[in-house]
Amino acid sequence: GNSVTQMEGPVTLSEEAFLTINCTYTATGYPSLFWYVQYPGEGLQLLLKATKADDKGSNKGFEATYRKETTSFHLEKGSVQVSDSAVYFCAPRDLLNYGGSQGNLIFGKGTKLSVKP
Amino acid sequence: DAGITQSPRHKVTETGTPVTLRCHQTENHRYMYWYRQDPGHGLRLIHYSYGVKDTDKGEVSDGYSVSRSKTEDFLLTLESATSSQTSVYFCAISESGGAGEQFFGPGTRLTVL
Repeated sequence: GNSVTQMEGPVTLSEEAFLTINCTYTATGYPSLFWYVQYPGEGLQLLLKATKADDKGSNKGFEATYRKETTSFHLEKGSVQVSDSAVYFCAPRDLLNYGGSQGNLIFGKGTKLSVKP
Repeated sequence: DAGITQSPRHKVTETGTPVTLRCHQTENHRYMYWYRQDPGHGLRLIHYSYGVKDTDKGEVSDGYSVSRSKTEDFLLTLESATSSQTSVYFCAISESGGAGEQFFGPGTRLTVL
């Protein structure tokens, strides 16, 4: 099945700094790609997604572009806020069977972001 | 917010005891998932369901069983809890399977002593 590697944290930034969280994946084919965010004490929620090569997903000032040639989906934000402090998960869709789980998401280990005022 | 609840929210139990976690949804979504979240591992899929009485194993299914007798409920059972099953467990739902957005519940923190 697919696998995903994302930048290890924690990442600590000052407010208004530029953010990049790297994510690369291995896959046969071209899976849909997702970023999820988990705020303290909560479950995960979808941040953005891209379903085909060169698509750019965007939401709340965050962006990520589906790069087929580098099998990457890096998350960026031009100016982070304290409220962006959370754990971010990259998640490609598994295109291959794993005990019948074709089509399920494979989550990276998460990158914890702390933004200081 | 998607209507997903998990119960209990916190549980402490002893090794060897059975434990059942419940996920309840009010969205009538077809797909339901159980994940565990551990430091350094991210989220790992335990079991999932693609309809009433239709379930399948995920990446880390050993020691867990599931049941789905109604669309709205998905139960995760640890037949004989072990300390390695201490974790935070999340339920998720999806209308359209792997390609669609998953909505997550608030989580259950389970401690096995």
